[in-house]
Amino acid sequence: GQQLNQSPQSMFIQEGEDVSMNCTSSSIFNTWLWYKQDPGEGPVLLIALYKAGELTSNGRLTAQFGITRKDSFLNISASIPSDVGIYFCAGLDFNKFYFGSGTKLNVKP
Amino acid sequence: DAGVIQSPRHEVTEMGQEVTLRCKPISGHDYLFWYRQTMMRGLELLIYFNNNVPIDDSGMPEDRFSAKMPNASFSTLKIQPSEPRDSAVYFCASSLYPLSHSDAGELFFGEGSRLTVL
Repeated sequence: GQQLNQSPQSMFIQEGEDVSMNCTSSSIFNTWLWYKQDPGEGPVLLIALYKAGELTSNGRLTAQFGITRKDSFLNISASIPSDVGIYFCAGLDFNKFYFGSGTKLNVKP
Repeated sequence: DAGVIQSPRHEVTEMGQEVTLRCKPISGHDYLFWYRQTMMRGLELLIYFNNNVPIDDSGMPEDRFSAKMPNASFSTLKIQPSEPRDSAVYFCASSLYPLSHSDAGELFFGEGSRLTVL
């Protein structure tokens, strides 16, 4: 199946700092998605990107769909303690979602 | 409105036992997905249904796994016999739209069923 490489695997940051994480693939995707998973919960959709080059914001979150359609990044500005969790990228290829391995974010108050 | 409801939340069983996981999708959602999450392999799609019909089961690991959707509000994932390597969190998700739709990303996940096979 498709391989999504997500980095970094984990991050330890101070409250108020900005965060950046990205996802790359050897294959093209037509849709990129970013999800967040809190402990003991299922993933929740944060941002969806449907066009190459698209830059979309959702509050303090900004995500971009790479021009090559093989990558995407997610930025979180001015992090707060509730941003803690695991962030997953996902690519949609025809009828399947492929998920990255996740970036675990820790925020120190 | 209730979200996707899964049961049980936790199950511990012994190798060889049958395990049945249950899911109630969001009312009106025609697409239902079963995912498995492990540290080693991340989130993997096992099978998905459209209007109660299995569309793609290529992710089902082997014949020990089976899934059914007898009606629009209920699905089961069964493992028989279970093995220790089946230990994982199993998620059910539902969607209003087909995956080709521009809002396909709106997959709503349940809280998951954590399975431990000893």
